[in-house]
Amino acid sequence: QAVVTQEPSLTVSPGGTVTLTCGSSTGPVTSSHYPYWFQQRPGQAPRTLIYDTSIKHSWTPARFSGSLLGGKAALTLSGAQPEDEAEYYCFLSYSGARVFGGGTKVTVL
Amino acid sequence: QLQLQESGPGLVKPSETLSLICTVSGGSISTSTYYWIWIRQPPGKGLEWIGSIHYGGRTDDNPSLKSRVTMSLDTSKNHVSLKLSSVTAADTAVYYCARQPTADHWGQGTLVTVSS
Repeated sequence: QAVVTQEPSLTVSPGGTVTLTCGSSTGPVTSSHYPYWFQQRPGQAPRTLIYDTSIKHSWTPARFSGSLLGGKAALTLSGAQPEDEAEYYCFLSYSGARVFGGGTKVTVL
Repeated sequence: QLQLQESGPGLVKPSETLSLICTVSGGSISTSTYYWIWIRQPPGKGLEWIGSIHYGGRTDDNPSLKSRVTMSLDTSKNHVSLKLSSVTAADTAVYYCARQPTADHWGQGTLVTVSS
């Protein structure tokens, strides 16, 4: 089974920019992995920020964007707010199977 | 407005079968536009994909769960069910259902504890 890797933790200053990445043990992440990004605050259910690499939901703040970067999926947060402090998970598809990354804890400090 | 609600026993004994239902309200599960996934999260840990079920009954499940997963759709009750057999303490988790492919709707999750 593929392993999906994320940075365990990242810190960003309020108003700053941070990029989270999502790699695959099988090789470059492409649009065919249909990358998702989920945000989970403590004690809450996850919510979907991005699907299919870069598509946002209506509730996704404009400061979040998804892309492919250097063979990985990426989630960029531009203009971090205190409420963005959370765990972020990526999720990739592999011909029927799906795999989550281990999550990135983002601290806004 | 579409809502998903997981339900089932909060406590299951080791070696028994965990059974959960995801009730969908405000929309029908009888559509090929969407499919349904189950995800779990052990306490203090990350998310794990359990499996997916498509309209028509096609399923995919996590190989790491060693074929213990059974999923089905009950169109008369508009719900999605999950069964996980031969549970151990490692199956203790919050279980979520969600609608795919956009993952636009999630249930709030239900905690299942495996303990004697």
